[in-house]
Amino acid sequence: SAVISQKPSRDICQRGTSLTIQCQVDSQVTMMFWYRQQPGQSLTLIATANQGSEATYESGFVIDKFPISRPNLTFSTLTVSNMSPEDSSIYLCSVPGGAGETQYFGPGTRLLVL
Amino acid sequence: QKEVEQNSGPLSVPEGAIASLNCTYSDRGSQSFFWYRQYSGKSPELIMSIYSNGDKEDGRFTAQLNKASQYVSLLIRDSQPSDSATYLCAVAPYSSASKIIFGSGTRLSIRP
Repeated sequence: SAVISQKPSRDICQRGTSLTIQCQVDSQVTMMFWYRQQPGQSLTLIATANQGSEATYESGFVIDKFPISRPNLTFSTLTVSNMSPEDSSIYLCSVPGGAGETQYFGPGTRLLVL
Repeated sequence: QKEVEQNSGPLSVPEGAIASLNCTYSDRGSQSFFWYRQYSGKSPELIMSIYSNGDKEDGRFTAQLNKASQYVSLLIRDSQPSDSATYLCAVAPYSSASKIIFGSGTRLSIRP
């Protein structure tokens, strides 16, 4: 499985500010996924980040709020813009695994917005 | 109807017993099915994958798939306190092979 790191591991932010989360993978991957996990909830896919093209956002998520960059095959960033307390969540990146389309997850970024 | 449904629990099982976790899914064309374990404060960890009908065993874990009933389950034998976690069922729908749809998870508690 791929080794995935995320920065920062956690942060406390003021409402109205923005935070950029980085995801680094130890191998080249075509797709990277960004998820949100709100307290006590399951994972919700925010968007799929493809290298060389615009990210594909899921229903309920927009680029202005969650801009994504994918400058190369091992790195991606997710920005949470103009934050409110409702954005307090764990944000996870993942990459596809081997056969069968499984996914492997990074350690997550724990965000608290005050 | 949710695409992947699980009983949220908590499911409490005595140590040494068999824990049975269940999941149903709505997309009949789904091809790949996964069970993830998530400890509190940690990210999900893949523990089992299954692709064809029947049982698949890996150590104390057995995944069971019944595509006709759109049902997948996870059995944990000889449950240990370290098995206490949230278990997420995930399905890769045929319509979008790269996406995985997660259930809401079942909280499992193993009591000594």
